[in-house]
Amino acid sequence: DGGITQSPKYLFRKEGQNVTLSCEQNLNHDAMYWYRQDPGQGLRLIYYSQIVNDFQKGDIAEGYSVSREKKESFPLTVTSAQKNPTAFYLCASSIGGRGRDTQYFGPGTRLTVL
Amino acid sequence: RKEVEQDPGPFNVPEGATVAFNCTYSNSASQSFFWYRQDCRKEPKLLMSVYSSGNEDGRFTAQLNRASQYISLLIRDSKLSDSATYLCVAAGGSYIPTFGRGTSLIVHP
Repeated sequence: DGGITQSPKYLFRKEGQNVTLSCEQNLNHDAMYWYRQDPGQGLRLIYYSQIVNDFQKGDIAEGYSVSREKKESFPLTVTSAQKNPTAFYLCASSIGGRGRDTQYFGPGTRLTVL
Repeated sequence: RKEVEQDPGPFNVPEGATVAFNCTYSNSASQSFFWYRQDCRKEPKLLMSVYSSGNEDGRFTAQLNRASQYISLLIRDSKLSDSATYLCVAAGGSYIPTFGRGTSLIVHP
């Protein structure tokens, strides 16, 4: 089955700790994205990558970091510099990064910082 | 980046009703438009793409009005299972897709 997976589904961390969220896809998509969603809010773009070994900041990149060493993987690290990290994190991929391609989402990771 | 705006609702309708949502976009260079459905605490899933000529998929019809820069979603014969949040997306060229905040639909018996 082709798809996009995220792990873990729920994550609890203490304030001040860095945490890495996993995102893997076997759809052979070039582009991958990370979004954050807060209750009652839309999706806000954190980082995106249109090709391996390249990534760009989105609207709310501060306090986050990413890497794209493999086509199928795009992990997101939430650092201690992120002021309010508790949120629902969604990873997505698309065939290309041209905007007009349909995005497919993973099931998301709910991060709670205590 | 330019914005995509939606009425957050909720739209509260009885089963069998017809309901319509509009979404406005401010970037006139947008070329591609989509409607996604998001169930509570789940990921968004593509409902339908929106083509210039409009398109229909069963009970769902999407329209694009480039002159006024809005897209619409019409749901006929609403089902209880249609209850969800509907996200509007505008994208195009080198632009990353921009999501609206979503419109909440509640279909009641």
